[in-house]
Amino acid sequence: TAGITQAPTSQILAAGRSMTLRCTQDMRHNAMYWYRQDLGLGLRLIHYSNTAGTTGKGEVPDGYSVSRANTDDFPLTLASAVPSQTSVYFCASSDSGLDTQYFGPGTRLTVL
Amino acid sequence: GQNIDQPTEMTATEGAIVQINCTYQTSGFNGLFWYQQHAGEAPTFLSYNVLDGLEEKGRFSSFLSRSKGYSYLLLKELQMKDSASYLCAAMDSNYQLIWGAGTKLIIKP
Repeated sequence: TAGITQAPTSQILAAGRSMTLRCTQDMRHNAMYWYRQDLGLGLRLIHYSNTAGTTGKGEVPDGYSVSRANTDDFPLTLASAVPSQTSVYFCASSDSGLDTQYFGPGTRLTVL
Repeated sequence: GQNIDQPTEMTATEGAIVQINCTYQTSGFNGLFWYQQHAGEAPTFLSYNVLDGLEEKGRFSSFLSRSKGYSYLLLKELQMKDSASYLCAAMDSNYQLIWGAGTKLIIKP
């Protein structure tokens, strides 16, 4: 079982460009999450989805959008990247909002 | 506001015992999680406590006191592979995880 996959592994992006970070899980989990991790800070929730067809805003949603068209996929889009969006992005999933979250391998994004 | 506090860094010796403390303040409480994160890798789940007391799982144990807003992770018989960051996270009333910045544990031979 693959669990959660993310693509790309890393990316360098010019400021102002758009990008979509992909996340796919094969565990049939209902809930999915996007976090960013920056040095010296805890993981911060960007957006989440409790079930297919629904999404919600986390702690730091500005500049990011998500969609949840089906159970397996939860892409994160940066419409116009800025250098402050340089970070490591982790996708996670859980069976429900109450349950343990399992993380993908992460995407390291650098915005120049 | 919501807040998680844990030490930034700790050092311990191979074979010894180390305790990593975590204090939390959240709007509501639905449990306390501990994750391990090796450098450059994803966090992996270690333990979950929702009731007061100690949960033991092999060399790792986790303790919770809800009245004190306090938890600790206890690692016994330390091995070099335990060198990692340990993340404490509390689940609030909205079932969202509030994360600490992590404790970097350095194991010396």
